[in-house]
Amino acid sequence: DAKTTQPNSMESNEEEPVHLPCNHSTISGTDYIHWYRQLPSQGPEYVIHGLTSNVNNRMASLAIAEDRKSSTLILHRATLRDAAVYYCILSSNAGNMLTFGGGTRLMVKP
Amino acid sequence: EAGVAQSPRYKIIEKRQSVAFWCNPISGHATLYWYQQILGQGPKLLIQFQNNGVVDDSQLPKDRFSAERLKGVDSTLKIQPAKLEDSAVYLCASSLGPGESSYEQYFGPGTRLTVT
Repeated sequence: DAKTTQPNSMESNEEEPVHLPCNHSTISGTDYIHWYRQLPSQGPEYVIHGLTSNVNNRMASLAIAEDRKSSTLILHRATLRDAAVYYCILSSNAGNMLTFGGGTRLMVKP
Repeated sequence: EAGVAQSPRYKIIEKRQSVAFWCNPISGHATLYWYQQILGQGPKLLIQFQNNGVVDDSQLPKDRFSAERLKGVDSTLKIQPAKLEDSAVYLCASSLGPGESSYEQYFGPGTRLTVT
């Protein structure tokens, strides 16, 4: 599976937008980009996924670079509840097995 | 809808003992996964079932770990005998099945295992 690179941690202020970057320079043409997050003492939670075009849902937006070698998860207004570890994951369309990396720990300050 | 259920939530055992974890996926979900999450790391996939068949178990330590999914619904993960390095949270997840609709995995709360 292609690898992803994320910053270990990021800080944000409450009610401000947050941009979480992910590099995946070895992505293949059929790899989907998934984002999950894990709140303290809980299992991971699906956030969003995409292939080539930018995606929006009620939780977040996913901006995918034109060459697909990087992507950014955008939380439009961070709340204290958004403090979590955010994982950027690639998976091929041959299956939906997820290989989690270390993720980015997002801290939200009031 | 009800989420993925797991039990027990916590378990403490001594090394060389046996332990079993149970998972009940979301109703109608054909695919079931078991992950191991060691403290400070991301989850690692141990085994994936499609209905009652194994899709991938390449990262399951088969000398001590076993898993089954009888009748394609509930699943059990067993460790026998346990080692200190098995201390981790064991997560169960489920998804609808193959294809685009299956890309969202729903995770249970996990079972925290401590081996002393």
